Amino acid sequence: SQTIHQWPATLVQPVGSPLSLECTVEGTSNPNLYWYRQAAGRGLQLLFYSVGIGQISSEVPQNLSASRPQDRQFILSSKKLLLSDSGFYLCAWSTTSNQPQHFGDGTRLSIL
Amino acid sequence: GQQLNQSPQSMFIQEGEDVSMNCTSSSIFNTWLWYKQDPGEGPVLLIALYKAGELTSNGRLTAQFGITRKDSFLNISASIPSDVGIYFCAGHLGRNQFYFGTGTSLTVIP
Repeated sequence: SQTIHQWPATLVQPVGSPLSLECTVEGTSNPNLYWYRQAAGRGLQLLFYSVGIGQISSEVPQNLSASRPQDRQFILSSKKLLLSDSGFYLCAWSTTSNQPQHFGDGTRLSIL
Repeated sequence: GQQLNQSPQSMFIQEGEDVSMNCTSSSIFNTWLWYKQDPGEGPVLLIALYKAGELTSNGRLTAQFGITRKDSFLNISASIPSDVGIYFCAGHLGRNQFYFGTGTSLTVIP
C-alpha cells in the first residue's frame, strides 16, 4: 500500500533563517505531488504541485520554492523565512490530477 | 481561485444526533471529495464522488454529488465523540488541482 511521510512534525525557526521540509511517498510511481499551507486550522492553500521529476508549478507568489529531485520526493524550501510563513504545511500525493489526494501528517512551522 | 462555500462553519451537536453539511460552488465540478481532519494531523479521505446524482456511503457517512454538479452534501448518522474534527469538501474542475472548502468544524457533546 502507499504511504506518505513528512518531516519534521514541528519546527521553530527564527525570522530570516532558511527552511527545508521534506516529503516522500512509497508504494507508487510517478505520483502527482502537492504542497499546501493551512492557516488557523482551516482553508487549504495550494502552494506548489508537480506532475513529474523537475516539474514544478507554483500557484501563489511567495518567498517559498519547491523541488522534486526524485520521483517520490518533494521538498519545500525558503532562503529567508518571514513571520508570515508560519503555519501548518501539508504534503499530498495522487495518482493523477483528478484522483483523490492523500495527505501526510503535516509540519507545524512557527517563526519567531 | 475557485470558491467553495461550506456550511455551516461550525456545529455543536449531542452525541447520537444526525449531522448534515454541504458545499456549494458557482462552478460545475467533475469530482467531489469529502475529508476529515483531526487536530494536528493531515486530512483523511472519507468519500469520493464521480458522477452527478451519485450517492455513496462509508459506514455512518453518506455523501451525494448534486445533480447540478455545483454542490455536494455529507451526512453523518448517529454521531459519536470520535466524529469531532473539521470536515472539508474538495472539487475538481478539470485542471491540475482540487479546490478545497473552508471547512465545517464539528463538536460532539457526550
